[in-house]
Amino acid sequence: GDSVTQMEGPVTLSEEAFLTINCTYTATGYPSLFWYVQYPGEGLQLLLKATKADDKGSNKGFEATYRKETTSFHLEKGSVQVSDSAVYFCALNDYKLSFGAGTTVTVRA
Amino acid sequence: GAVVSQHPSWVICKSGTSVKIECRSLDFQATTMFWYRQFPKQSLMLMATSNEGSKATYEQGVEKDKFLINHASLTLSTLTVTSAHPEDSSFYICSAYTDLATGPLYGYTFGSGTRLTVV
Repeated sequence: GDSVTQMEGPVTLSEEAFLTINCTYTATGYPSLFWYVQYPGEGLQLLLKATKADDKGSNKGFEATYRKETTSFHLEKGSVQVSDSAVYFCALNDYKLSFGAGTTVTVRA
Repeated sequence: GAVVSQHPSWVICKSGTSVKIECRSLDFQATTMFWYRQFPKQSLMLMATSNEGSKATYEQGVEKDKFLINHASLTLSTLTVTSAHPEDSSFYICSAYTDLATGPLYGYTFGSGTRLTVV
């Protein structure tokens, strides 16, 4: 079945550092891909999405490009802030969402 | 944008009692509601999928008699944890899906989650 493999954390960074979280997927069709963010004690918020190959999703300085050839959807941000500390989930949609394991990111001032 | 209101945000109950969690889509009609369970520092585990007016479809290993799901309308779904025990303590999250709208309202919207503690 469809699945998502996500870089394990935790990841600890200093402010203004570059962040990359790797995500690869396995799917029989052409799913939509998502990144969700979860702040402590809260539900999930959609961070960005891409619905077809070569689409780039972007939001709040985060970007991810749907790469069909490498079946990847890596999340990047050029300069992180303390407020970016959260758990990030990669997910794919084939009617229902399948989530990666989540990556905890901590940004230190 | 799309909002899903999940209530309560946290609840403590005694072992053996039942707890009901509500999810309401406030500004759109949810064709499908998903219920997830999340253990500390783990990913979301899909428990069940429900469509309005139909019986829920449970994932393998999820006890349907223990986790009762009702999707009575296109804006309301409930999860009832019956005869709760300490091992049911977890973070429960709902997600409403709609294909009845376009733009920001289309797709999945998550509730804020319910922290259940059974003592």
